[in-house]
Amino acid sequence: DVKVTQSSRYLVKRTGEKVFLECVQDMDHENMFWYRQDPGLGLRLIYFSYDVKMKEKGDIPEGYSVSREKKERFSLILESASTNQTSMYLCASTHRRAAGANVLTFGAGSRLTVL
Amino acid sequence: DAKTTQPPSMDCAEGRAANLPCNHSTISGNEYVYWYRQIHSQGPQYIIHGLKNNETNEMASLIITEDRKSSTLILPHATLRDTAVYYCIVYGNKLVFGAGTILRVKS
Repeated sequence: DVKVTQSSRYLVKRTGEKVFLECVQDMDHENMFWYRQDPGLGLRLIYFSYDVKMKEKGDIPEGYSVSREKKERFSLILESASTNQTSMYLCASTHRRAAGANVLTFGAGSRLTVL
Repeated sequence: DAKTTQPPSMDCAEGRAANLPCNHSTISGNEYVYWYRQIHSQGPQYIIHGLKNNETNEMASLIITEDRKSSTLILPHATLRDTAVYYCIVYGNKLVFGAGTILRVKS
């Protein structure tokens, strides 16, 4: 079964800490995405990557950075965590877009609490 | 990206068909309609997508109106495990998730 694996389901961090959220996919997908999900706001795109070492800002990149050193791994980094970054973080991947072929496979999510 | 409008919630009796509507009146000719669902505490799961023609797979059917301004997702025999938030998305440059419809399947 194809999978997108997020390293941590639940994390609790303190304000100002550096936080790494890891995502690994085993489907040889070119495209990878990081979303955050908050009640009433739906899923919002933070960053995405179309290839190794490539990254593009999504709708809410402020306070985040990403790293894509290997095709299968896409990391989300919170340089200095703040309480307003408490959220559910979802990683997803898909093959490079062909006509109609944008079926995202999501991980189970990482629920981050910043105290 | 085209916007979608979905009812905030719906109820369905177990074993009956669940019909979830979606309006996407600003859809462009080359934009696909995608449906995902999210069961509590899990990541969204792909269900089905289509461009112009009706589509069916093992999970659901997708009916798209001829003018493509709306669509309906049909779960033919809803079960309690189909209780979830269902998202209708029109793909432009990226997948944008709205608030979705909370479907409650009741026994």
